Amino acid sequence: GAGVSQSPSNKVTEKGKDVELRCDPISGHTALYWYRQSLGQGLEFLIYFQGNSAPDKSGLPSDRFSAERTGGSVSTLTIQRTQQEDSAVYLCASSLDGRGNNEQFFGPGTRLTVL
Amino acid sequence: GQNIDQPTEMTATEGAIVQINCTYQTSGFNGLFWYQQHAGEAPTFLSYNVLDGLEEKGRFSSFLSRSKGYSYLLLKELQMKDSASYLCAVRDRADSWGKLQFGAGTQVVVTP
Repeated sequence: GAGVSQSPSNKVTEKGKDVELRCDPISGHTALYWYRQSLGQGLEFLIYFQGNSAPDKSGLPSDRFSAERTGGSVSTLTIQRTQQEDSAVYLCASSLDGRGNNEQFFGPGTRLTVL
Repeated sequence: GQNIDQPTEMTATEGAIVQINCTYQTSGFNGLFWYQQHAGEAPTFLSYNVLDGLEEKGRFSSFLSRSKGYSYLLLKELQMKDSASYLCAVRDRADSWGKLQFGAGTQVVVTP
């Protein structure tokens, strides 16, 4: 079946602009995670959704970052007034639920470049 | 919070064995994952350990010692396609769910 998909695959934007990144999880997966990966760095957790609610937003770096999930499926990560330090690969992952040894399946990521 | 440490890079010859170590300090532990990530691609799941001991899956094995906060990933009979970054990740909580905290990854270079 289809894996996790993300769009766009690449996004170049100017400093100060808003961007929206989209994630389509695997059908039936209730848990959805956003991470970002800066060059040479490990994956940094941003936010977790269980269904449409976000029990853990602790990784969002500032109030310029927000995310929502609708219909227990698609999620959108929005970055307002982008800064150059926001440049990174943003990865989305989904799992059957958030428990136990359920592996997280990752999407291909969105490479964001802020000029 | 968590500190997860793994070497930055390792080089090995095709056909050889490489062991990637990962040490962690946790405030709550509920499992350790290893992922493989080829350049420009998404991480893919390799293994999961929650109890002490060795888990073997073909050419790849993963070991966990919870008392020592230590894991390793063993890659045997290395192939060129094994050149990738290997990510150690710890599940943060013993609750019913938990985010993953990742190490910075170990870049494995396999040479002919």
